[in-house]
Amino acid sequence: AQSVAQPEDQVNVAEGNPLTVKCTYSVSGNPYLFWYVQYPNRGLQFLLKYITGDNLVKGSYGFEAEFNKSQTSFHLKKPSALVSDSALYFCAVRDMGRPDMRFGAGTRLTVKP
Amino acid sequence: NAGVTQTPKFRVLKTGQSMTLLCAQDMNHEYMYWYRQDPGMGLRLIHYSVGEGTTAKGEVPDGYNVSRLKKQNFLLGLESAAPSQTSVYFCASIMKGGQPQHFGDGTRLSIL
Repeated sequence: AQSVAQPEDQVNVAEGNPLTVKCTYSVSGNPYLFWYVQYPNRGLQFLLKYITGDNLVKGSYGFEAEFNKSQTSFHLKKPSALVSDSALYFCAVRDMGRPDMRFGAGTRLTVKP
Repeated sequence: NAGVTQTPKFRVLKTGQSMTLLCAQDMNHEYMYWYRQDPGMGLRLIHYSVGEGTTAKGEVPDGYNVSRLKKQNFLLGLESAAPSQTSVYFCASIMKGGQPQHFGDGTRLSIL
């Protein structure tokens, strides 16, 4: 079985401050992990992924995520938030060898000026 | 390059009516997926396909059927629409392996 949890429905940060959006996962085997962002009335856009290798993954728009196998986490981070980062963020996991993926419930990030 | 295209973008149905949502991708991707998005529940997988002529059930398949007669198209059907199927439906595709999914912009479906 594979599942994802995003424990925070909402994250609020001030512009210029660092941000973290949390994600934990559960898989039977080895995970592929992804972060996506969704803007209003649009589909999901890919931000970054972890497949193998370096635990710190860098992605689009200055975002990065750290894979922690012992804590089964894949938190999304950015050193300095922008108002334009305000959106809905989804974490997703795919058990290596399976064709289907599971998404978390999403976290709404609001960055205030 | 259009990517993943969903038609229609909006639709209002009456309970009991049927309809088909079309997803088309021009990236020669093998795998295709249909999801529904409801507030607070993220994306839930309805059905998916790992190749032309093959389909499989996801997390929430009841009330839906799918077909993949051509590699580039993945159709989602509602035989007898119910208000509980009011949602935003997304199609996605990937080549294979650990690649990220490419998403369409969604179909907003309301069932009265």
